[in-house]
Amino acid sequence: GAGVSQSPRYKVAKRGQDVALRCDPISGHVSLFWYQQALGQGPEFLTYFQNEAQLDKSGLPSDRFFAERPEGSVSTLKIQRTQQEDSAVYLCASSLAPGIYEQYFGPGTRLTVT
Amino acid sequence: DQQVKQNSPSLSVQEGRISILNCDYTNSMFDYFLWYKKYPAEGPTFLISISSIKDKNEDGRFTVFLNKSAKHLSLHIVPSQPGDSAVYFCAASLAGGTSYGKLTFGQGTILTVHP
Repeated sequence: GAGVSQSPRYKVAKRGQDVALRCDPISGHVSLFWYQQALGQGPEFLTYFQNEAQLDKSGLPSDRFFAERPEGSVSTLKIQRTQQEDSAVYLCASSLAPGIYEQYFGPGTRLTVT
Repeated sequence: DQQVKQNSPSLSVQEGRISILNCDYTNSMFDYFLWYKKYPAEGPTFLISISSIKDKNEDGRFTVFLNKSAKHLSLHIVPSQPGDSAVYFCAASLAGGTSYGKLTFGQGTILTVHP
């Protein structure tokens, strides 16, 4: 594909439901990042994958958040027992390799928890 | 603890004039800086970057200046065009392999260019 794609684009969940957000990075990109963007704020780092290895999950806000990238390409961010404070845009970005700073972002998934 | 700050939430300029967007940072270990542009309902798009070993990088209408002693960078857009109207984010990355290039973003500045 030409760029990073994410699905769904919009997700409404009732409090307590589990959600799964998908990211398809640019083909061949080794590095994959997840960010959370609250309304009126800049994106905040959640977690990082190098191929299939999750090397940094220091930004995940709680143990309800879980991410995986089992084959080193597509990644899924899962949020269990969603809370209202989880409402945000979740952005996925990929870059060619570690240390290549330019990251290419997907359009994001807007999650609303009611 | 906001390590990257964009203190102007918004900026309005006339078409053809210069737009100057500012960004301050507190962590002296940051070694690479980037500007991203974001339209509504889209993800951020990479615009221009600068390494800490330089003080200026230019790409067409866009120039980024870095003042390490002041921990300040700015993005100049000359001449500004209505299509430049968007939210602009400043981002920084730490030196060293263990950072993996993860980005720390400012809060963004909404630029409006009037025809």
